Amino acid sequence: QVQLVQSGAEVKKPGASVKVSCEASGYTFTSYDINWVRQAAGQGLEWMGWMNPNSGNTGYAQKFLGRVTMTRSTSISTAYMELSSLRSEDTAVYFCAREIGVSLVQGAIPYYYYHMDVWGQGTTVTVSS
Amino acid sequence: DIQMTQSPSSLSASVGDRVTITCRASQSINRYLNWYQQKPGQAPKLLIYAASNLQSGVPSGFSGSGSGTDFTFTISSLQPEDFATYYCQQSYSTFKTFGQGTKVEIK
Repeated sequence: QVQLVQSGAEVKKPGASVKVSCEASGYTFTSYDINWVRQAAGQGLEWMGWMNPNSGNTGYAQKFLGRVTMTRSTSISTAYMELSSLRSEDTAVYFCAREIGVSLVQGAIPYYYYHMDVWGQGTTVTVSS
Repeated sequence: DIQMTQSPSSLSASVGDRVTITCRASQSINRYLNWYQQKPGQAPKLLIYAASNLQSGVPSGFSGSGSGTDFTFTISSLQPEDFATYYCQQSYSTFKTFGQGTKVEIK
């Protein structure tokens, strides 16, 4: 079955970096973008960025520019999200999600609609001195 | 960035009630609007994509409508397993954004 399996929980000190992995199985890894979303305790979902596993192209939310790097290893169907200069506010659960596009016709014009249909189980990152 | 505003932020309802959540975008997003359900300790689950299309395997009691800036998500008859937090998300822009969430609680 299609699934994304993330790496285990991490505890980091302020100023350090963390790298979370997301291993894909059950589908062709290079066919769909991977998005990263995080959620602080009791808070909502916050989109961090996307990566195209085929090209390696990325797009990051303004808030994380300069601190986040999304990469992949196609040989092992794994995506990575590295966040640097960690601070306490980065304590959160980090999710990876596959983004799929579906073509739907509206008024005889086809549009591609994108949505995150498969999610990893989440990785808890705790930043504490 | 496109801002997504959900209302209400929380609601209390009983099993069997009809529940409606709204989501407003800060600019027109056509029908690039998705809805997710999240239960405590779990990853979000896709329910509706492209404003009104039911994801495979999702019960027909969930529905969505709208286009442009205003969208609605409806649970026709609330079931015990539907108590959760619901999020809208726009995919019009490469830079995705989520609504702040609506927590559906038991009355």
